[in-house]
Amino acid sequence: DAGVTQSPTHLIKTRGQQVTLRCSPKSGHDTVSWYQQALGQGPQFIFQYYEEEERQRGNFPDRFSGHQFPNYSSELNVNALLLGDSALYLCASSLMNTEAFFGQGTRLTVV
Amino acid sequence: QQQVKQSPQSLIVQKGGISIINCAYENTAFDYFPWYQQFPGKGPALLIAIRPDVSEKKEGRFTISFNKSAKQFSLHIMDSQPGDSATYFCAASNGGAGSYQLTFGKGTKLSVIP
Repeated sequence: DAGVTQSPTHLIKTRGQQVTLRCSPKSGHDTVSWYQQALGQGPQFIFQYYEEEERQRGNFPDRFSGHQFPNYSSELNVNALLLGDSALYLCASSLMNTEAFFGQGTRLTVV
Repeated sequence: QQQVKQSPQSLIVQKGGISIINCAYENTAFDYFPWYQQFPGKGPALLIAIRPDVSEKKEGRFTISFNKSAKQFSLHIMDSQPGDSATYFCAASNGGAGSYQLTFGKGTKLSVIP
């Protein structure tokens, strides 16, 4: 079992650009959540996808959007990147009412 | 505003000692309280979790103590080892283990010295 896999592992973008991060959930999981973890902070919830729909959303601007595909994999898109978007982006997958498993994250640096 | 407050920010413990990390929450709707361990360059990994219908849960060297009336919970690591050196996060959610958003504390960096 490969667990939760995220790609790419590292990424450098320029302010104003757009970025897409990808996540493959753990086998058998149908729910994908995205978190942003700034340096030295705890992860902050961005949104969650279930059955290809955004089910919950945290306090993040509309520049952050996502998608879930029929195979349960997911993408996180961030438009008009700001320096403050530099962070570790974590994907977590779960099955209803079971624990969430996290991937290793994508380290995004905005310059 | 949903918040989970975690202390201390950092902790140094001698090998074989007990590490204690505390968290407090505000939202009484929270019904699932996990602890995560994170090593540098890795994603958080679930250590142990508790629901508010029990006051204590033990798994190996890790114990969660839960005080519903005080809205506090803590992680105890017995016989701490250098391999336990990592950042620990408490978290909380309402509605289920993985089904709803987790609200995390800011983390405690634990260093276990030989």
